[in-house]
Amino acid sequence: SAVISQKPSRDICQRGTSLTIQCQVDSQVTMMFWYRQQPGQSLTLIATANQGSEATYESGFVIDKFPISRPNLTFSTLTVSNMSPEDSSIYLCSVFTVSSYNEQFFGPGTRLTVL
Amino acid sequence: GDSVTQMEGPVTLSEEAFLTINCTYTATGYPSLFWYVQYPGEGLQLLLKATKADDKGSNKGFEATYRKETTSFHLEKGSVQVSDSAVYFCALLYNQGGKLIFGQGTELSVKP
Repeated sequence: SAVISQKPSRDICQRGTSLTIQCQVDSQVTMMFWYRQQPGQSLTLIATANQGSEATYESGFVIDKFPISRPNLTFSTLTVSNMSPEDSSIYLCSVFTVSSYNEQFFGPGTRLTVL
Repeated sequence: GDSVTQMEGPVTLSEEAFLTINCTYTATGYPSLFWYVQYPGEGLQLLLKATKADDKGSNKGFEATYRKETTSFHLEKGSVQVSDSAVYFCALLYNQGGKLIFGQGTELSVKP
């Protein structure tokens, strides 16, 4: 298994500002992902965080709005830029580890409220 | 495209009742199937999984069988507890790319 921590766990932000969310994993991972869960909704994949290169974004998500970094195998950040109330969601980091076969582990999430 | 459809919630049951949450999927190829659970205020936890047709995943009294002929992966539990109150997500995964596709989630509320 993998222990995933996210910072911050929650935040309340003003519109127009940006927030960077950190994801740290305690073991080597092969793939890292960022998901969004809007209030009362299911999870939607934002992007795959690639080590040392640009993230791979899903349809409807762009780098200017959600820049992602992954400087090493166990750490990634997601920035939510120029926030609006529609960005209020839970943002979750998830990973595949070297030892897990098709089992994806999720972090506890970052609950973001934009006023 | 690929998709997962779950029964609508919320589902309200009395303690010790039988639970079924329906899940059907549309996919090309042979995905792996999962049930995740999200307890109030917490992150997502893997509940059980099945990687090929006729596999049965089980955990904590919950079971689901991968039915290729009906493209279904229904979640069942013989006797629910108040502590099972949570939101349950059905999901499919293709090995290629690692992208999980989630259903819309079903909220379960178990009353004493």
